[in-house]
Amino acid sequence: DTAVSQTPKYLVTQMGNDKSIKCEQNLGHDTMYWYKQDSKKFLKIMFSYNNKELIINETVPNRFSPKSPDKAHLNLHINSLELGDSAVYFCASSQRTSGSRETQYFGPGTRLLVL
Amino acid sequence: QQQVKQSPQSLIVQKGGISIINCAYENTAFDYFPWYQQFPGKGPALLIAIRPDVSEKKEGRFTISFNKSAKQFSVHIMDSQPGDSATYFCAASMEESGSQGNLIFGKGTKLSVKP
Repeated sequence: DTAVSQTPKYLVTQMGNDKSIKCEQNLGHDTMYWYKQDSKKFLKIMFSYNNKELIINETVPNRFSPKSPDKAHLNLHINSLELGDSAVYFCASSQRTSGSRETQYFGPGTRLLVL
Repeated sequence: QQQVKQSPQSLIVQKGGISIINCAYENTAFDYFPWYQQFPGKGPALLIAIRPDVSEKKEGRFTISFNKSAKQFSVHIMDSQPGDSATYFCAASMEESGSQGNLIFGKGTKLSVKP
């Protein structure tokens, strides 16, 4: 059973298009995250979200928006795609109990290529 | 400003040798320091983690050393094996309002263990 799954695995699209990446976790966790990994392998947090709070990394363009239909899903919508958006996007989840820093479990990644 | 600095960028070790990766942080509010391992085409996975109240933690062949005064921590991989070849990321997070324990990653170290 896959703990954190993402679809699609690969996404090739044209500049200017709008696309979505889906993420689902079956771990019962209350917090989900989106990370971007660039061509140099640098991992950077984009968003973190639980049922109370959305935290947005201030460097993320507002073309990116997370949407959570329920506790087990956190989808990433990207509008007006640009060449620089090409990267691998990872979804992750964790259980954030008070005073605890639980392990973040990562999905397999979505490889986005903007042409 | 890079909050977590990792070195070296790449590392080649002979089978059976010791692999050492170092990280330094700047923010003294960080209180959780995990190491993640990432194989090509996969998402990162937690390897081992430490908190500032201990100076060393060992799990199998992997040991984290932590120096709070120097704001440095490192991972040692004993008896390195070809299967350990991967990219290793150190990270840090803090427990404070508005952070949700978001991980700040180092830039990664690509480890190659030669047979």
